[in-house]
Amino acid sequence: QVQLQESGPGLVKPSQTLSLTCSASGGSINSGSYYWNWIRQPAGKGLEWIGRINTSGSTKYSPSLKSRITISIDMSRNKFSLELSSVTAADTAVYYCARDEDIRAASVGFDPWGQGTLVTVSS
Amino acid sequence: SYELTQPPSVSVSPGQTASITCSGDKLGNKYAYWYQQKPGQSPVKVIYQDDKRPSGIPERFSGSNSGNTATLTITGTQAMDEADYYCQAWDTSTVVFGGGTTLTVL
Repeated sequence: QVQLQESGPGLVKPSQTLSLTCSASGGSINSGSYYWNWIRQPAGKGLEWIGRINTSGSTKYSPSLKSRITISIDMSRNKFSLELSSVTAADTAVYYCARDEDIRAASVGFDPWGQGTLVTVSS
Repeated sequence: SYELTQPPSVSVSPGQTASITCSGDKLGNKYAYWYQQKPGQSPVKVIYQDDKRPSGIPERFSGSNSGNTATLTITGTQAMDEADYYCQAWDTSTVVFGGGTTLTVL
């Protein structure tokens, strides 16, 4: 059973770049028809999908964040990463990584999820 | 952009049936997914592809999707089901989440 764990700075200054990594354990990131996603949740608010990457390096990003996002994958280290540039206080949230899988060209939903990591944007 | 609308809150008595709706334009033409999130925890998938239940999810959880509305139904609701529930769908290669519904069991 693959487990996911987010890591990265908990505090980022405004206008800087937020960088997070999601490490997979208990299974290879380079297997199956998996997609590796980032999702965030501001305190007391709902879920927002950020984007995803597959093992071929193909990415899809949220239109609202596309200009500021880079998602990359490092299969040799069994991890994938998120960079979000030019952050503001509105980017303060719990950031989750999660796996998705397409079976017969249809998503089976996000599972598992990491435990989430709180990132605060403040000077 | 595509939107999914959920009621902010639903209340149910223990042992009764809770129904949480998720509305979106022609949602029935897409697959709907449902996640349960308890305070301080990560979301957990409870329904995928409209009506499929992942292993380990109790049979009291079921889903349907038709027209413009997807529905998560919890039959014989238990106190442990009190949580936030989010619907999710795909639209033009983008993931969309509903705003979430807080289910209160009282």
